Amino acid sequence: DAGITQSPRHKVTETGTPVTLRCHQTENHRYMYWYRQDPGHGLRLIHYSYGVKDTDKGEVSDGYSVSRSKTEDFLLTLESATSSQTSVYFCAISGRGQDYEQYFGPGTRLTVT
Amino acid sequence: SQQGEEDPQALSIQEGENATMNCSYKTSINNLQWYRQNSGRGLVHLILIRSNEREKHSGRLRVTLDTSKKSSSLLITASRAADTASYFCATRDNAGNMLTFGGGTRLMVKP
Repeated sequence: DAGITQSPRHKVTETGTPVTLRCHQTENHRYMYWYRQDPGHGLRLIHYSYGVKDTDKGEVSDGYSVSRSKTEDFLLTLESATSSQTSVYFCAISGRGQDYEQYFGPGTRLTVT
Repeated sequence: SQQGEEDPQALSIQEGENATMNCSYKTSINNLQWYRQNSGRGLVHLILIRSNEREKHSGRLRVTLDTSKKSSSLLITASRAADTASYFCATRDNAGNMLTFGGGTRLMVKP
């Protein structure tokens, strides 16, 4: 998985609790992304980062926040988890430029009860 | 909303047969990419085709792009059981730094 790790890999949490997922890369890539994957919806972009402290919203950003204080780490926080946020979350990285490909982490399966 | 829509949603074939998956998209693109996802794993990049290209090959993969019809196809020749996976197209427009993924095609190759 191209030098990308995600933690935790599995998490069960209760509605209303905050949750933070971590993505760590060893590739020194500039761009990092958080997606969620749900049946029937493919992958949908939550937030992305184009550098340290530089982030922007994706398609489904409501209820999520992100932070990037170091090149190698990109954190996704669910401020108050809801059952609709039960999903598989993928982190991805890419280099700069038009013809980039994205490299994906192994995913985090989050269940909100 | 999804930029790309794959067709069919699911495909079952015998080993040795060819598999064709199609992707349609809505807006102008800079490039289109295909990814594979094995069950329980992250996506893996397969091939990228630029908007000024019409066809590209990589091993047993052949991708075509028709920008006038806003569609692409992925052909896997001489399929193997190990090709069993979900396949996603993703598009990148000229303005953004993001990829937009379709819903995927689930391919099953029976030995």
